[in-house]
Formats: sequence, C-alpha cells, structure tokens
Amino acid sequence: AQSVAQPEDQVNVAEGNPLTVKCTYSVSGNPYLFWYVQYPNRGLQFLLKYITGDNLVKGSYGFEAEFNKSQTSFHLKKPSALVSDSALYFCAVLVIETGANNLFFGTGTRLTVIP
Amino acid sequence: DSGVTQTPKHLITATGQRVTLRCSPRSGDLSVYWYQQSLDQGLQFLIQYYNGEERAKGNILERFSAQQFPDLHSELNLSSLELGDSALYFCASSASGPLTSTEAFFGQGTRLTVV
Repeated sequence: AQSVAQPEDQVNVAEGNPLTVKCTYSVSGNPYLFWYVQYPNRGLQFLLKYITGDNLVKGSYGFEAEFNKSQTSFHLKKPSALVSDSALYFCAVLVIETGANNLFFGTGTRLTVIP
Repeated sequence: DSGVTQTPKHLITATGQRVTLRCSPRSGDLSVYWYQQSLDQGLQFLIQYYNGEERAKGNILERFSAQQFPDLHSELNLSSLELGDSALYFCASSASGPLTSTEAFFGQGTRLTVV
C-alpha cells in the first residue's frame, strides 16, 4: 500500500537555528514527493517537489528537501528558521496508476519557531 | 492566490441537512481532488475527478457524493449531515492526468459547521 508518514506531530525550533521536518514514504515504483505548507485559515501551498534528478530539491521561502532512496525519506530542511515559518507542514506522495493519479498526504507536522 | 476558488467560505447547518460545496479549478486544470481536514484526523482524501470522470476514491462516506461538470467545476454534496462532519473541506486542482506528475493547487477551503 502507498503511504507517507510524518513521525513528529510537533517540531519546535529557535529562530535562526536550522530546522528539519521529517517524512518517510512507502510506494511501489518511482516516488513523486511533495511538501506543502498550511498557514492558519489558509489552504495548502506548494513548497517543493521531487520527481527525478538531483536528490536535493530547492523550493519556496528558502526551504529545501533531500530525497534519500535507501532510507525512503524526504525530509524538509531550512538552514535558518524564521518566526514566520511557523505553520503546519504536509508531506505528500503522488501515486500514478493506470487511469488515475492519487495524492496521499501525511498527517502533518506543526512547526513552531520560537523568537 | 492559487487560482482555485471554493464557495462558500463558511457554512453552518443543522444535523440531517444537505449542503453543496463548489470548486472552480485553475484555468486549464483537468483534475480536481476533494479533501476533508478535521482536527483529529489530518487531511483525508475523499475523491478525485479527471475531465469529468471519477478516477479515485478515498475515505468518502456513502452520504457524500461529488461530480465534475463539463466546464470542469466540481461540487461535493454532503447529505444527512452529522456533527462529526464538521471540518474544513478543501478542493485542489492539477494539470495531472494519467502518467503526469504536476503539483496540486489548493483552494482556501470551506469550513462546514454542523450544529
């Protein structure tokens, strides 16, 4: 079965410190992986994606993610956290099957950046 | 602005009633996804349409139904509403069809409160 897991419900980090939000996946075939962010009372916003190629993917707002095939992980990272990064982060995997694409989301990780 | 429009933004209704949520996808996007986000269950995939046809079903209750019209807008119908149906309902669209891997863009959601 296809799935994506975010093992941490909550991540707290001090402003200016590096941050990591973890994601692991389980898919058959090639994984297509995404990160989305949700600010309060807003819809999800696309941050970045991995389809193929370089394992380090750069996205919006200074975020990047590293695809690790052997560890089936796609952790989201940022070198220096900002208070404005505080939000709910979702990892997702796109499963492409005959006749359909299906986007599965993790349960989300709430990131709090402490001033 | 993601380009995906959902109406209404807020809806308050009584148990047992029926409501319709509407979604207009981004111009040119053929795929529409519906998700339910509740406090205790994260983001749950409900159903996907591609160019008017149902393509994938997730955890959608039998009391819920959806359709995608020829102009590509979609409606999610929720009937015999229960208190537990109170949630944020998101629509997303993407250019994805079979064998493509583009990201999805989310509307701002409809907050449904069942009283």
